[in-house]
Parts: sequence; structure tokens; C-alpha cells
Amino acid sequence: NAGVTQTPKFQVLKTGQSMTLQCAQDMNHEYMSWYRQDPGMGLRLIHYSVGAGITDQGEVPNGYNVSRSTTEDFPLRLLSAAPSQTSVYFCASSYSRTEYSGNTIYFGEGSWLTVV
Amino acid sequence: AQKVTQAQTEISVVEKEDVTLDCVYETRDTTYYLFWYKQPPSGELVFLIRRNSFDEQNEISGRYSWNFQKSTSSFNFTITASQVVDSAVYFCALSEARGNNRKLIWGLGTSLAVNP
Repeated sequence: NAGVTQTPKFQVLKTGQSMTLQCAQDMNHEYMSWYRQDPGMGLRLIHYSVGAGITDQGEVPNGYNVSRSTTEDFPLRLLSAAPSQTSVYFCASSYSRTEYSGNTIYFGEGSWLTVV
Repeated sequence: AQKVTQAQTEISVVEKEDVTLDCVYETRDTTYYLFWYKQPPSGELVFLIRRNSFDEQNEISGRYSWNFQKSTSSFNFTITASQVVDSAVYFCALSEARGNNRKLIWGLGTSLAVNP
């Protein structure tokens, strides 16, 4: 069972560079999201998607773009990396877009990004 | 305001001790879901349990047990006879919805160290 797959696991970027974190899930989940995890801040939602062609902003969207052309894939793009974007990034998915469904959210293994 | 508080930042125990991780939440909603996730040193986020607001039964899974009490807005997690492999950061989360966004509100985590 692949579940939620994120790549790359580790990446070092120079300030101003762009890159894309890839995320794919094979569970036919409608809902996908990206979080960042920083010490003392917990997990914060960057962007989310409730289905192909639909995306929206979370708590901390600035500096990031997303798209959802297929159900399976939800890439996160850093347009011009900044040191403040040094973090651990998690992609997540769950079955339903509906409210209060309580469906479990499954996470990828995380991507460690350092911007120097 | 919706909030999840994990008051214990770090806990250190000796192997075979029992340990309880506290989680207190605040929400205006009558229907909501609570989760516990484990983040071992390798970094991935592992789902442990989901509980909906209408089910106050305690749950036991092997050495793990959860005590959900709506009267005190708490969802505490107990590990019985702790083992070194239980060393991890444990997160409590509250799921609620605003429009299409199934938002997870995270506690800041409790770092558990189980020493041999």
C-alpha cells in the first residue's frame, strides 16, 4: 500500500530558487492538503484541495502555489524560496470533502526543506 | 475559539512505566472529531485513533488507551508499560469544518522519551 507519497524527502535550496514538492496518493481521496511543521508552531495548513480543479488557501499560503489537475496529484510549488520557508512539509489526504465526515487524514512521510 | 492544548511539552519516563498524555480542546461545535497522531524520530505522522463527539466510550488498543470526557473537554492518551519504541512526539488534533475546508486544529505536541 503506497498511501501518500511525497518527494523529495530532503532538499537544500538557495534563496530565490524555485522548486516543486510532489505529492501523490493512490487511495482515490478527494481531499488533499499541504502542511508545514515548525518547532513551537505545530502543523499549519498551507493550501488544500477538495477535488480535481479546486484549490484554496489555508493559514499560511504566501510564497506557495498549488494545483490539482488530477485526483491523485497535488504538487506544492515554491516560487522564490526564502529562508523563512525552511521547514518540514507534509502532504495529506482523506476520503471525503464533506464536513464532519471525520474521515482520517493520512500523511506522507514528510519533506525536509532547507533554504540557505 | 477553537483550540487544542497539550500542556505537557516533554515527558520522560523509564521503560515499563505507565504514562498519560493530556489533551484539552475547545470548540463551539456539537459535532467534531478528535485524533491522536504519533511522530517517531523518523519524522512521519502516524494515525493512532479517531473519536467522534458522540462516542464517549473509552478505547483500548493493546498498550494504548484513550479516555474521552466531554464534560471536561479532554481526550487523554495513556500508554501502559511504556517501551523505548514509544519514544515520539504525540499530537492531539480537533477536526471541524468551515465551508469546504476540513480543518485540523493541532496541539503543539508532547515529546515522550522512554528510557531503558
